[in-house]
Amino acid sequence: AQSVTQLDSHVSVSEGTPVLLRCNYSSSYSPSLFWYVQHPNKGLQLLLKYTSAATLVKGINGFEAEFKKSETSFHLTKPSAHMSDAAEYFCVVSDPNYGGSQGNLIFGKGTKLSVKP
Amino acid sequence: EAGVAQSPRYKIIEKRQSVAFWCNPISGHATLYWYQQILGQGPKLLIQFQNNGVVDDSQLPKDRFSAERLKGVDSTLKIQPAKLEDSAVYLCASSLLGLAGAGYNEQFFGPGTRLTVL
Repeated sequence: AQSVTQLDSHVSVSEGTPVLLRCNYSSSYSPSLFWYVQHPNKGLQLLLKYTSAATLVKGINGFEAEFKKSETSFHLTKPSAHMSDAAEYFCVVSDPNYGGSQGNLIFGKGTKLSVKP
Repeated sequence: EAGVAQSPRYKIIEKRQSVAFWCNPISGHATLYWYQQILGQGPKLLIQFQNNGVVDDSQLPKDRFSAERLKGVDSTLKIQPAKLEDSAVYLCASSLLGLAGAGYNEQFFGPGTRLTVL
């Protein structure tokens, strides 16, 4: 079975400082991994995806994540936080029963990012 | 391009009552998903449709939940009767394909319906 663990339920940073949201996954297969962001009262939005190509993945709004198989990690980073980054972030792994497609997404519990002025 | 539409946005009911949620996916998207997101948790897949057929409903509590997508476009999710633990946000998502082996297909999410069961 596949699963993801988001190591922090809440992260607080100051505007202009780096962001690090941690995610570890468990998978018996070659996983596809994603980060989604959820702003209040808005739908989930895909930030970036890893699907067995380059291990360093760049996403929207300056976010990036690095797939590290040896550490089973897929941490999300951003060099400089902006107030608009305040939201809930979900690390997601795809279900191998769907052959690597996005047929079934398994979400972590989420990390709430707060950005202080 | 219009996104995934859901209605209502909020619903408050008493336990044992019935409730229905509606979803209109992005035009042309063959695959439609319903997720349940309980407060403090990530979304959990309830059911997946490919056109008007069910692909996966293994996590749908079938004794009280039902869903349909009769014409392969809009979908309705129903709960009858509702329990207190059904309080959650119900998210609808759609993707162009989503079949096994079809490769990566991004899921696009609607804003959700927040259900409160009293």
